[in-house]
Amino acid sequence: KAGVTQTPRYLIKTRGQQVTLSCSPISGHRSVSWYQQTPGQGLQFLFEYFSETQRNKGNFPGRFSGRQFSNSRSEMNVSTLELGDSALYLCASSQVGNEQFFGPGTRLTVL
Amino acid sequence: KQEVTQIPAALSVPEGENLVLNCSFTDSAIYNLQWFRQDPGKGLTSLLLIQSSQREQTSGRLNASLDKSSGRSTLYIAASQPGDSATYLCALNSNSGYALNFGKGTSLLVTP
Repeated sequence: KAGVTQTPRYLIKTRGQQVTLSCSPISGHRSVSWYQQTPGQGLQFLFEYFSETQRNKGNFPGRFSGRQFSNSRSEMNVSTLELGDSALYLCASSQVGNEQFFGPGTRLTVL
Repeated sequence: KQEVTQIPAALSVPEGENLVLNCSFTDSAIYNLQWFRQDPGKGLTSLLLIQSSQREQTSGRLNASLDKSSGRSTLYIAASQPGDSATYLCALNSNSGYALNFGKGTSLLVTP
C-alpha cells in the first residue's frame, strides 16, 4: 500500500506571495491532518479534515487555510507569506481514531 | 492545555546499550499515545501506538509503556544500533480533539 505523499517536496517563495501544498493520504484513510515543524516551536498542529469537513484547527492565523476533496486528498494554502512561515510542513493520514502516518513533508523557504 | 515534555533532549550511547526515553504529560485524559522517529530532514515514522486502555506495546527491540495516572510514557530500546540514531518524538491524542500534541523530542546518537 502506498504511503502518504506530499508535493512539492521543496519550495522557495518570497514574502507576500502565497503557496499551495498538496497531500495524498493512504488509500482508505479519510482523516488528514497538517502540522508545521520549526526548530524553535517543534511540531504544531494546523488543522484536521475528515470527509471534506474541517473538524479541528490549531492556533494559527487566518492566512493558513486548507481543504479536503471527495477523494480525501487535501491541500493547504498560506497567503501573504512571512519569513516566519519557513518550515517543514507535514501531512498525516489515519483511519478515525487510529495510528497516524506521516508523509515526507514539504520544505518551504520564504525569502 | 496538554503539555508534553521529553527528557533528555539529547542522548549519546555506545552501541549495544539498552536505553529508555521518557515522555511526560499533564492531562491524563488521552485517547492514545504514539511514538515516532524522525531522521534529519525527513518525515515521521510511526514506531508504536498505545491506546488509552493499554499499558504497553512491543515491536521488535522496542517497547513502549503508558501510565496515565502518573502522566508518563517510556520508550525502551534494547541492544541499540547506530541505525537507531534519530530524533524520537512522543505525541498524544486527547479525548477532546483529533490533533496530536508533540513533545520536542529526544535526539539519540548511537556510536559504534
